[in-house]
This record gives sequence, C-alpha cells and structure tokens, in this order.
Amino acid sequence: EPEVTQTPSHQVTQMGQEVILRCVPISNHLYFYWYRQILGQKVEFLVSFYNNEISEKSEIFDDQFSVERPDGSNFTLKIRSTKLEDSAMYFCASTRQGASYEQYFGPGTRLTVT
Amino acid sequence: AQTVTQSQPEMSVQEAETVTLSCTYDTSENNYYLFWYKQPPSRQMILVIRQEAYKQQNATENRFSVNFQKAAKSFSLKISDSQLGDTAMYFCAFMKGNNQGGKLIFGQGTELSVKP
Repeated sequence: EPEVTQTPSHQVTQMGQEVILRCVPISNHLYFYWYRQILGQKVEFLVSFYNNEISEKSEIFDDQFSVERPDGSNFTLKIRSTKLEDSAMYFCASTRQGASYEQYFGPGTRLTVT
Repeated sequence: AQTVTQSQPEMSVQEAETVTLSCTYDTSENNYYLFWYKQPPSRQMILVIRQEAYKQQNATENRFSVNFQKAAKSFSLKISDSQLGDTAMYFCAFMKGNNQGGKLIFGQGTELSVKP
C-alpha cells in the first residue's frame, strides 16, 4: 500500500539554524499539507499546497516558514531561523483530491531545537 | 472560526468492553466533514472513521462507530469490544467542505488506555 514518507525521522538543530524537512507524498496525490504537534498538545495545521502554490496557511506559518515541491515528488518545509518553540513533531500529509478525502499522514519528523 | 473540543483528556476501558469518546465542535458551515484519528505511541496519525455532515446515517467501521448529532454539534466515537491495540491518543477533527483541499482542525485529544 502506498504511503507518505518523511525524512529525517529526528532532526536536532541549534537555535537560529535553517532546517529542511522532507516529505514524499503518495504519487497520485494532488494536495499536500504540513501539520505540527508540540509535545503533549494537539495537532495544528500549518499550510496546504496545491498546484504548486500555497492554498491556505495558518498564523503559525509566518515568514520563517516556506514550502516547496522542487521536483514533482518531494514536498519540503523549510524553517529559516529556528527558535526553541519550533521544537515539535512535524507531519506531512497528502490527499488525492480535496476536501472529504482521507489525508494520509507520514510518520513525522521530530524536530528538536537546542 | 471553527473549534473542536474534546473534554476527556484521559479514559480507560477494560479489554472487550465498550467505550465512548466525546467530541463537540462549533461551526457556522453547513457543508463539512468530521473525522476521528488515532495516534498510537509510534505517533503515526491513522484515520479511524469519517462522517459527512450531509449524511444522517452514522458512520460505522467494524468495531468503531460514531454518534453524529448535527443540531447539537456533537460527534462521539464508540469503540466496541476494545482491544489492547486500541490504546492510543484519539483526535477528533473537522474539515470544511470545499473543492480546494481542506485543512483539518483537531481537538485536544483523548488518551485511551485499554487494560487487560
């Protein structure tokens, strides 16, 4: 069964450094998402991406964040200058079509900012 | 803005028993979808069940069923014949209906422990 993959599984970085989290969505999916989950808290929407542009973004997704689909298979989330509060689990998700369809989640990348 | 509330931070149930997890939501939308996701200790998010708001019939997936009360904006999950593998965090989620892809809005989660 096709699945969403994410790399790395765990990333440790120093405050102020740039990080890129990578996702490979399911191949025939068209909509892509990033969510984050701070430890012990609920899952929060960051951004949705369709047709090579951002469809919607949350208040969390400020100028420090960017997303890209560089080569038709990868979907990346970049944090330009990490802060301590960016420490969280980051989940990528994809869906074949739009609303109402199941979003398939990747296993997540645990980001630790020291 | 839409909100999702899960008022039970933790619940426990004996193996083979039935448990119900509560969820309420607030929205002015008429077209939307509701979901229950399971997050086991591996932290992978797994879809358990989905309900379309325009359907009156409650969704069922094997041992999992929902009680969808649209007027009350309530969407509870019932797990029958609980199994040890059901131990996980359960999140209720809301999605607006539209054709441009929808963000999921999650509740705070209910941590379910199934005891042998």
